[in-house]
Amino acid sequence: NAGVTQTPKFQVLKTGQSMTLQCAQDMNHEYMSWYRQDPGMGLRLIHYSVGAGITDQGEVPNGYNVSRSTTEDFPLRLLSAAPSQTSVYFCASSPRDRVSGAFFGQGTRLTVV
Amino acid sequence: DAKTTQPPSMDCAEGRAANLPCNHSTISGNEYVYWYRQIHSQGPQYIIHGLKNNETNEMASLIITEDRKSSTLILPHATLRDTAVYYCIVRVQGSQGNLIFGKGTKLSVKP
Repeated sequence: NAGVTQTPKFQVLKTGQSMTLQCAQDMNHEYMSWYRQDPGMGLRLIHYSVGAGITDQGEVPNGYNVSRSTTEDFPLRLLSAAPSQTSVYFCASSPRDRVSGAFFGQGTRLTVV
Repeated sequence: DAKTTQPPSMDCAEGRAANLPCNHSTISGNEYVYWYRQIHSQGPQYIIHGLKNNETNEMASLIITEDRKSSTLILPHATLRDTAVYYCIVRVQGSQGNLIFGKGTKLSVKP
């Protein structure tokens, strides 16, 4: 049971480059979300989805796009990377209709130079 | 969502119980108390949740006061591997998809 899988684990980008952080879950969870964590800080919500075809903004959505075409996948796109987006990114999934905690991936460490 | 207040840091001796408090005085009747922890650089890990009764699982116990305005997470025999930041979050059922994390409590377990 893989849970929540994030790829890549590490990435270095140049300012202005674009890339997609991948997130997949195999638990058939309705909810998926993306967080970023800067050094010494707590997690901040970027975007989330309550099901396929539905996405919404979190606390810090600027500079990021998401889409949810399937239940399993929730990619996060950086259209034009900036040094301020250097961070560790976590993806999470959770079920909608029962009381349960969220499951987090192991993170993608992104550096923008 | 109800706001939570946690102490920024706590120490605990290895092998002793770690008691982590959380205040949530504005909690609504349908909101659950959830606890997560984040060990250095790893993704957060769900620990336990409760509504009004005390709960126990293989990781921890959760004690919720009768008025539900505060709770305590108990790690009965803390080990060095329990050193982490612990987050208390109050949410309604089925709403773990858009969590708002506070600063949590940094628990340091010392030998």
